Amino acid sequence: DVKVTQSSRYLVKRTGEKVFLECVQDMDHENMFWYRQDPGLGLRLIYFSYDVKMKEKGDIPEGYSVSREKKERFSLILESASTNQTSMYLCASGAGRSNYGYTFGSGTRLTVV
Amino acid sequence: DQQVKQNSPSLSVQEGRISILNCDYTNSMFDYFLWYKKYPAEGPTFLISISSIKDKNEDGRFTVFLNKSAKHLSLHIVPSQPGDSAVYFCAAGAGNNRKLIWGLGTSLAVNP
Repeated sequence: DVKVTQSSRYLVKRTGEKVFLECVQDMDHENMFWYRQDPGLGLRLIYFSYDVKMKEKGDIPEGYSVSREKKERFSLILESASTNQTSMYLCASGAGRSNYGYTFGSGTRLTVV
Repeated sequence: DQQVKQNSPSLSVQEGRISILNCDYTNSMFDYFLWYKKYPAEGPTFLISISSIKDKNEDGRFTVFLNKSAKHLSLHIVPSQPGDSAVYFCAAGAGNNRKLIWGLGTSLAVNP
């Protein structure tokens, strides 16, 4: 069974901390994505990557960075966590064209206090 | 400007009845549409999809209808079950684009 694994289900961090969210997929997918989901705002794309060491900004990249050193791993970094980054973070991977759809991880519920 | 719109934030249906979730799009380049289902505290899971060369796709209790001239698609769930209560997202893809464009979701409540 194909899988996208996010390292933590729940995280609580303090304002100003540097936060790392890890995502690993075992499907050899080219594409990986980081979204955040907030009530009433749907899925908002933060960053995505089509290849190793490649990244592109999504719709809301401010306050975030990413790293993709290996094909299977895509990390989201909050450089200095703020309370408005409290959210559900979802990692997804996909093969080639978007028509093939995405496989999502279970999500990380991040609370910044 | 939203290219994929789900105009109903929520929908409530009785168990056993039909649920109809709607999705409108503005970009005529979209050639593939997908529906995802999301439970609280979980990631979205793929439900059903349709190519723009078709007008209907069916999988068990789930049917998606596509009206290209109206740029409208709908997901029908028959019969609705309490376990169908979730948020449903409509997404669209275009050509060789690797990114899906998402609607804001519709929260479906199926009441026993």
